[in-house]
Amino acid sequence: GAGVSQSPSNKVTEKGKDVELRCDPISGHTALYWYRQSLGQGLEFLIYFQGNSAPDKSGLPSDRFSAERTGGSVSTLTIQRTQQEDSAVYLCASSPNSGPLGEFFGPGTRLTVL
Amino acid sequence: QKEVEQNSGPLSVPEGAIASLNCTYSDRVSQSFFWYRQYSGKSPELIMSIYSNGDKEDGRFTAQLNKASQYVSLLIRDSQPSDSATYLCAVPASGGSYIPTFGRGTSLIVHP
Repeated sequence: GAGVSQSPSNKVTEKGKDVELRCDPISGHTALYWYRQSLGQGLEFLIYFQGNSAPDKSGLPSDRFSAERTGGSVSTLTIQRTQQEDSAVYLCASSPNSGPLGEFFGPGTRLTVL
Repeated sequence: QKEVEQNSGPLSVPEGAIASLNCTYSDRVSQSFFWYRQYSGKSPELIMSIYSNGDKEDGRFTAQLNKASQYVSLLIRDSQPSDSATYLCAVPASGGSYIPTFGRGTSLIVHP
């Protein structure tokens, strides 16, 4: 696969349930970002991973959100005790590094919390 | 705090015209800039990057950068209905921050 992949593409869950969203970046890309985009809104930064360094979690909206990246590749974003306001498209992007080379986005996961 | 401002639009142009999309930024040390295109219901796609003052052309697209005035623009020549999308301006990591700042995007509508 040449691009960033994300799964699932759609997720419908009930309020209070936990969800896991997966991102598989482009092979060899060391930087990985998670964003959230609500309907008609801009991109909201959530978390950034660069190689084996500690992630930048400054964009996570609450302690219900967490993410990990295993082996410097696949990343999982976990939302615990989901709320209706968590409904959004969650986008993952990767980049060869954090320098000025641009980011390549995955197709996103549309999360709907009922 | 780094800010990136874009007119939300929509910008409506007739097919074949030149569409001009503008972006201003607040961080004077920013050295590179990116334009992304986002079709409705899809994820952003990187279409242009520019690093130095002046123009950079790629097919029908031209990015223009003016660091003194702190603005970057994207010109789309011979606009096509398929260019209808939201265009996001982004200022990538700089000054120790690894978090790109995205504008909210300008919606472009190219009508036949």
